[in-house]
Amino acid sequence: QMQLQESGPGLVKPSETLSLTCTVSGGSIRSYYWSWIRQPPGKGLEWIGYIYNSGSTNYNPSLKSRVTMSVDTSKNQLSLNLRSVTAADTAVYYCARVAGDGQNFDLWGRGAQATVSS
Amino acid sequence: SYELTQPPSVSVSPGQAASITCSGDNLGEKFVCWYQKKPGQSPVVVIYQDNKRPSGIPERFSGSNSGNTATLTISGTQAMDEADYYCQAWDSSTYVFGTGTKVTVL
Repeated sequence: QMQLQESGPGLVKPSETLSLTCTVSGGSIRSYYWSWIRQPPGKGLEWIGYIYNSGSTNYNPSLKSRVTMSVDTSKNQLSLNLRSVTAADTAVYYCARVAGDGQNFDLWGRGAQATVSS
Repeated sequence: SYELTQPPSVSVSPGQAASITCSGDNLGEKFVCWYQKKPGQSPVVVIYQDNKRPSGIPERFSGSNSGNTATLTISGTQAMDEADYYCQAWDSSTYVFGTGTKVTVL
């Protein structure tokens, strides 16, 4: 059974880059589209972007200028880089698998807390 | 950009039905998914493709989608259903989440 696990530094300084990794176990990363989604404290879910193993990506227009996603098929890992962070980027970050029909997310990681603070 | 609007909160008595709406332009032309989100847990799909239930999701969860509104109905609401619920759709190559609804079981 496929599982997802996010990891990364819990604390990032303002203006720096937030970097997170999602490790996929129990299956190959190659066959699916993957997304990152976040939830700031007390707020709703926000889609960040998606990536396919070919490197094809699409990002939320509101974050596009600061986001880069990548895939390492040799390690079965996804990565998220978010540049020039501010306190507004403080959130729980989830990686999620896009369902086969492309319409929703059918498998989620447990989430990683990222706090932006000096 | 596309927007999905939900009521901030819904209250329901145990055993009664709770309905949560999700509004968006021509939403009926898109597939809607509903997620249940409890504090400290990852979101869980309770309805996908407007009205389909994943395996393991109780039959009391049902969905519909027509016109500009999708609806999630929880029949015979139980205390364990207390959570935040989010609708979600795919539009113009982006995924959009609704604003979220807190369901309180009184």
